[in-house]
Amino acid sequence: QVQLVQSGAEVKKPGASVKVSCKASGYTFTSYGISWVRQAPGQGLEWMGWISAYNGNTNYAQKLQGRVTMTTDTSTSTAYMELRSLRSDDTAVYYCARKNVDIVATIVWFDPWGQGTLVTVSS
Amino acid sequence: QSVLTQPPSASGTPGQRVTISCSGSSSNIGSNTVNWYQQLPGTAPKLLIYSNNQRPSGVPDRFSGSKSGTSASLAISGLQSEDEADYYCAAWDDSLNGSWVFGGGTKLTVL
Repeated sequence: QVQLVQSGAEVKKPGASVKVSCKASGYTFTSYGISWVRQAPGQGLEWMGWISAYNGNTNYAQKLQGRVTMTTDTSTSTAYMELRSLRSDDTAVYYCARKNVDIVATIVWFDPWGQGTLVTVSS
Repeated sequence: QSVLTQPPSASGTPGQRVTISCSGSSSNIGSNTVNWYQQLPGTAPKLLIYSNNQRPSGVPDRFSGSKSGTSASLAISGLQSEDEADYYCAAWDDSLNGSWVFGGGTKLTVL
């Protein structure tokens, strides 16, 4: 079955960087994109951006431009999200999700989602 | 402050029908399709409805979605205790460089 498995929880100090991985299985990795969404404690969902696993093209949320980098390793069907210059308000659960596209109908949806990775930023 | 507006809470008794609204603008719901996600306590979000009213395989037909103008709705009929969860609407927003925007989420309580 289609599955996304993320790396484990991280604790980082302010100013540091974190890199979260998302390993895909059960489908052709390069046929879909990967989107990243985060959720601060007790808060709603925030889209961070996405990456095409086919050609590496990215589209980042304006709020995170300059601090976030998304990459893929097609040899291992793994996507990565690196966030730099961490602040306390970056504390959140970070999710990856497969980006599904119906080009004819021009519709996009995220399914499935990874289990989430808790990133805690604290001094 | 979320771009899409949802009521923070909703409730109903088993067997009832409840609806959750999602209000946006011409740059998001008004010009793009709406997806709905269900997040059970302590778990990752799960796709519930895509393209306004399409159910993925495995989602019960008790769940339905609709869209009109710059608003969308999620309806749950025959409410069950396992439906107690947070529900989020989402749509692409064409403004600036474009981005996905979510509602603030609605916590559904089954009384």
